[in-house]
Amino acid sequence: QQQVKQSPQSLIVQKGGISIINCAYENTAFDYFPWYQQFPGKGPALLIAIRPDVSEKKEGRFTISFNKSAKQFSLHIMDSQPGDSATYFCAAGSGAGSYQLTFGKGTKLSVIP
Amino acid sequence: NAGVTQTPKFQVLKTGQSMTLQCAQDMNHEYMSWYRQDPGMGLRLIHYSVGAGITDQGEVPNGYNVSRSTTEDFPLRLLSAAPSQTSVYFCASSAGVRNIQYFGAGTRLSVL
Repeated sequence: QQQVKQSPQSLIVQKGGISIINCAYENTAFDYFPWYQQFPGKGPALLIAIRPDVSEKKEGRFTISFNKSAKQFSLHIMDSQPGDSATYFCAAGSGAGSYQLTFGKGTKLSVIP
Repeated sequence: NAGVTQTPKFQVLKTGQSMTLQCAQDMNHEYMSWYRQDPGMGLRLIHYSVGAGITDQGEVPNGYNVSRSTTEDFPLRLLSAAPSQTSVYFCASSAGVRNIQYFGAGTRLSVL
């Protein structure tokens, strides 16, 4: 069974701090690694994504770091804000034309003032 | 632009009852999928479809049926509901290669 392992399960960060969520995968065929953000009562929404030809991608306060040899990737949220409080899911997909994503189990982030 | 629309938002069933969760998208996406979300379990794929008339099983298909007669609609059927099917169900669609999946707002189902 393909797996994506995500940690931590929950995270509490003070406003202005850095939030870091880690994921590890097993299947070397994965070539697309998105992060989804989910607010209570809503469906997940794409936050940022990376492909393995780069080691880092930054969009505003959100950065994905990717380590192909270790089969790990992480999400960094700089200057975390209370509005960032949500559940974050990492995911992995493989191959052009393959639509499926395998999701991690999620991290509930709470940013406290 | 409505995106992915799921109905109903909430549903309570008794064990053994049947029902259909509706999902419709207006983005002309080829790929549609159903997930269930349970506490601590993340999103698990139930069934998916890569186009009208084509469906396949995901990770947790037992107890669920799907069909895809049009590009827009992808209903999920529970033939005989069980308490283990109490969950939040999400439908998603994707245009393809970039694998960006757009999710609906979910259906919260309780089976008593």
